[in-house]
Amino acid sequence: SAVISQKPSRDICQRGTSLTIQCQVDSQVTMMFWYRQQPGQSLTLIATANQGSEATYESGFVIDKFPISRPNLTFSTLTVSNMSPEDSSIYLCSVDPEPMNTEAFFGQGTRLTVV
Amino acid sequence: AQSVTQLGSHVSVSEGALVLLRCNYSSSVPPYLFWYVQYPNQGLQLLLKYTSAATLVKGINGFEAEFKKSETSFHLTKPSAHMSDAAEYFCAVRRVSGSSNTGKLIFGQGTTLQVKP
Repeated sequence: SAVISQKPSRDICQRGTSLTIQCQVDSQVTMMFWYRQQPGQSLTLIATANQGSEATYESGFVIDKFPISRPNLTFSTLTVSNMSPEDSSIYLCSVDPEPMNTEAFFGQGTRLTVV
Repeated sequence: AQSVTQLGSHVSVSEGALVLLRCNYSSSVPPYLFWYVQYPNQGLQLLLKYTSAATLVKGINGFEAEFKKSETSFHLTKPSAHMSDAAEYFCAVRRVSGSSNTGKLIFGQGTTLQVKP
């Protein structure tokens, strides 16, 4: 199993600013994933964060808007840049522990409101 | 391509009644399927998973799901609903690329379960 800590748990931000969300895992994992859950919607994968290489973004998401860092095997950050009210969502970090466990674990999420 | 469809965005049951949340999947390869629950203001918690072993999967909190290949379904059931079961439920399939397990999940739209006293 894996225990994931996300910070902050929630924030209210002004439009045009940026917020960095941190994800810390209690064990080393190869891949970490960032999902977005817009209000009343399901989860959509933003990107895969791989240690030692550039993050891989899904269609509709770009690095300039959602830069990701992965400095080691237990930590990642997602930045939401130049925020607008449309970015108000829950952002969740997820991991799939080695060796390619069949279960994905999720953090508690960061509830972001942009005003 | 893989996909998941949850039938019914809202389901309302009385306390003690049967809970049935529907999920249909599309996958060109044998799927790994999951049900997650999300309580208000919380992250996702795994209820159960299907990984090509037994077709009837038992999970936490009295939930179970049956994998039916012929119907491409993985419906979630619980014999008797509790008030504490009120939450959002997500069905998901693990995305596969070629023969590789990507670790990524494709989620259904979610079903909100309301339990009435």
